[in-house]
Amino acid sequence: DIQMTQSPSSLPASLGERVTISCRASQGISNNLNWYQQKPDGTIKPLIYYTSNLQSGVPSRFSGSGSGTDYSLTISSLEPEDFAMYYCQQDASFPNTFGAGTKLELK
Amino acid sequence: EVKLVESGGGLVQPGRSLKLSCAASGFSFNDYWMGWVRQAPGKGLEWIGEINQDSSTINYTPSLKDKFTISRDNAQNTLYLQMSKLGSEDTAIYYCAREIYYYSGDLYYFDYWGQGVMVTVSS
Repeated sequence: DIQMTQSPSSLPASLGERVTISCRASQGISNNLNWYQQKPDGTIKPLIYYTSNLQSGVPSRFSGSGSGTDYSLTISSLEPEDFAMYYCQQDASFPNTFGAGTKLELK
Repeated sequence: EVKLVESGGGLVQPGRSLKLSCAASGFSFNDYWMGWVRQAPGKGLEWIGEINQDSSTINYTPSLKDKFTISRDNAQNTLYLQMSKLGSEDTAIYYCAREIYYYSGDLYYFDYWGQGVMVTVSS
């Protein structure tokens, strides 16, 4: 199985701050990398697919980049609704695997 | 509006079986792959498996393949997850999700998720 290592596991940040979450795969995944947001009530929605494509309806302050084994999610200027859990997921090979998550917290 | 509503969760004794359902609406159910993901208390997301449109292809995470069975009824717009030989490690929120195909990248991702259903395995 491909292991997905997310960092940091917890990220304290302030409103308006720019933050980056990283995700490293145990082997190359050819940009087959998606990002999801999970709110405290459990609601999950996609943010980014195929490394850098913004899901419809997701604000442009979210962006994704990366290649090979290293990928990142950046939020350019934090809004109150952005404080949540974030997960990366690889779709390069079975079983699809998620990272352990990053909790974005208000500092 | 796309809606996915899971049901069938609850408290179940170790070793017993349970079948979850996911009622889909607001889209043409038989045009999409569907999947299940779970989340143990305080833990991250775990991909369980997926099923294609006509049930001819079903993929599982290897560690769950002998315990869980995914199926669907396109006439009823419903996805199922049959779980057997349940243990405490199966205590989790179970989510169903719709998969969408991104042609340019030959990649699938989950574009809609249900609200989840809790399964607690305990005596």
